[in-house]
Parts: sequence; structure tokens; C-alpha cells
Amino acid sequence: DAKTTQPPSMDCAEGRAANLPCNHSTISGNEYVYWYRQIHSQGPQYIIHGLKNNETNEMASLIITEDRKSSTLILPHATLRDTAVYYCIVRVAGNQFYFGTGTSLTVIP
Amino acid sequence: EPEVTQTPSHQVTQMGQEVILRCVPISNHLYFYWYRQILGQKVEFLVSFYNNEISEKSEIFDDQFSVERPDGSNFTLKIRSTKLEDSAMYFCASKSSGGVTNEKLFFGSGTQLSVL
Repeated sequence: DAKTTQPPSMDCAEGRAANLPCNHSTISGNEYVYWYRQIHSQGPQYIIHGLKNNETNEMASLIITEDRKSSTLILPHATLRDTAVYYCIVRVAGNQFYFGTGTSLTVIP
Repeated sequence: EPEVTQTPSHQVTQMGQEVILRCVPISNHLYFYWYRQILGQKVEFLVSFYNNEISEKSEIFDDQFSVERPDGSNFTLKIRSTKLEDSAMYFCASKSSGGVTNEKLFFGSGTQLSVL
């Protein structure tokens, strides 16, 4: 079951950074934080994941607090195509991905 | 980039009929999954499949559902006798050999099943 809390919706101006928060206060030491997004009703798309350290790839950055109880996904320069539902998922490697309700991000022109 | 392919994109069926949803996972992947999403609701895990057997299934995946890997490329979900509440988008997903650093799940674009 999802063990994360995310705001139901957020807006972001096009070209600005989108910062999507996620609380996972009950995360355990061997659980990773994953982010996926779903554009319209398409299949979820992997964005990034991490354990303790901050991570960056071509799509986004993931900032995990030192106590690991929360994290933030950063889209550095949001575009209209980034409008989607963003899911924060915590899981132990090898277990299933359970999706919560996510954050619906709207990028505004 | 390699992708998971699902067919058909839309399937309409009568209640009580059998349907088979088809998926072609990414070629070197070994772990396969089915998820579903009822309109306006969460993406829900149905079943995972590895080494030609089910490794985990959810409460949703009852006796009406079955999965099969009939050959080296296809992965199918069969619903024996469809019900109205089976109407949903069904997503197939796959991942490679696993390991802590390689846990990306790749999803197909889905099959929209409508049961009338």
C-alpha cells in the first residue's frame, strides 16, 4: 500500500522550476523513493529514484532530506508537456510498485 | 528507446465474454506485470510474473483472471467472464533482471477495456 502523502494538485508557470513534495515519514532504511508520472491516461513513466543521496538525471532532480522522511522532485524548467500526475512511491527493492493518488501538476503558459 | 507494446488499444466486449489482452514486453526483460486503472482512480497492481509463474498477485486478481507467456515474446492477461466492473485501462509493464540499482518499471500505453 502507498505510504506517501502528496498534495493533490499544484500549478507551475512555464519555464519555472516545479517543486513537488512528498512525505514518507514511516520509510524504513531499505526502502527507496521512486517518482513516476502519468500524462493523461498513458502508462506511468519512470522519472527518478534514490535511497539517501540526492539524485539528478536528464529529466529531474530528487532531493531527499537527511532523515529521509520527505523528498522533493524538481523539474528545473517546466514545460507544458510536463503537465501530468506525479506519483511518489516508496518500496523495498524487489517488491511491487503501489501507486497512490499522486499530485496533479498543471504547467501554466 | 525500447518500449512495451500493448494490443489492442481499445477493446469492447459484452458482459460474460472472455477477453485476452496482449503485451509484448521489452525483449531482454524478465519480470512482467499487469496493472489496471479504473477511470478516475489509482493505478492498481494486479499480478507479477517471473520465470513462467506468478510471483505475486493482488486481491483483485481472482479466479477470473489468468496470465500466460505463450511464447518468448508475448505476455497475456485473460479475463474469463467479464463483468461491468472490469471496465478499466489495463497496463502491462516489464523490467529487466532486477537488482537494487536497476528497478525501473517500463509501462505500455495500455488497453482500454469497456464491458457492456
